[in-house]
Amino acid sequence: AQSVTQPDIHITVSEGASLELRCNYSYGATPYLFWYVQSPGQGLQLLLKYFSGDTLVQGIKGFEAEFKRSQSSFNLRKPSVHWSDAAEYFCAVVPFSGGYQKVTFGTGTKLQVIP
Amino acid sequence: DAGVTQSPTHLIKTRGQQVTLRCSPKSGHDTVSWYQQALGQGPQFIFQYYEEEERQRGNFPDRFSGHQFPNYSSELNVNALLLGDSALYLCASSSERGASTDTQYFGPGTRLTVL
Repeated sequence: AQSVTQPDIHITVSEGASLELRCNYSYGATPYLFWYVQSPGQGLQLLLKYFSGDTLVQGIKGFEAEFKRSQSSFNLRKPSVHWSDAAEYFCAVVPFSGGYQKVTFGTGTKLQVIP
Repeated sequence: DAGVTQSPTHLIKTRGQQVTLRCSPKSGHDTVSWYQQALGQGPQFIFQYYEEEERQRGNFPDRFSGHQFPNYSSELNVNALLLGDSALYLCASSSERGASTDTQYFGPGTRLTVL
């Protein structure tokens, strides 16, 4: 069955430190891949997406993600975390069906940033 | 340009009651998707509407139904509410017929509490 896994439920980093959030997927073919962020009381905001081409994708707010086919992973990174990055982050996939969107989300990783 | 709007913001119902949630898509969008996000979980796809018809559906019972109006706004109806229906309900809109490569824009959600 197709699935997306975020192994880390909660991560704490110091402000200014680097960040990597993990995402693994299990699909028959490479799906479309997304990272969303959700701040408390807010809806989801798209950080970046990968469809094809360059495996290193740049997003908003200084985030990037690298697609690794061999590992079925799409990890999110940021070189220097700011206190405002504290939020919950969701990896999401859409099957490469050429059809319509049916987004499957991971269970999320909650990021805490300490001074 | 207004983004995706949802109403109401919060709602409290009792078991067995019925509820209607509303969503107005981002200007220029013609496709609306609904998601349920239980506490501590990622959003789960309920269904998607395009051209006033349900086009895709996730693993939700028939108690969950929807409607899309000619102006592309949408309603989510839940009948015979259960305690387990308590969640944040998110609406997302997209254009280009909701193709897999299109970006979905999310509203802030409606928090439903069932007592």
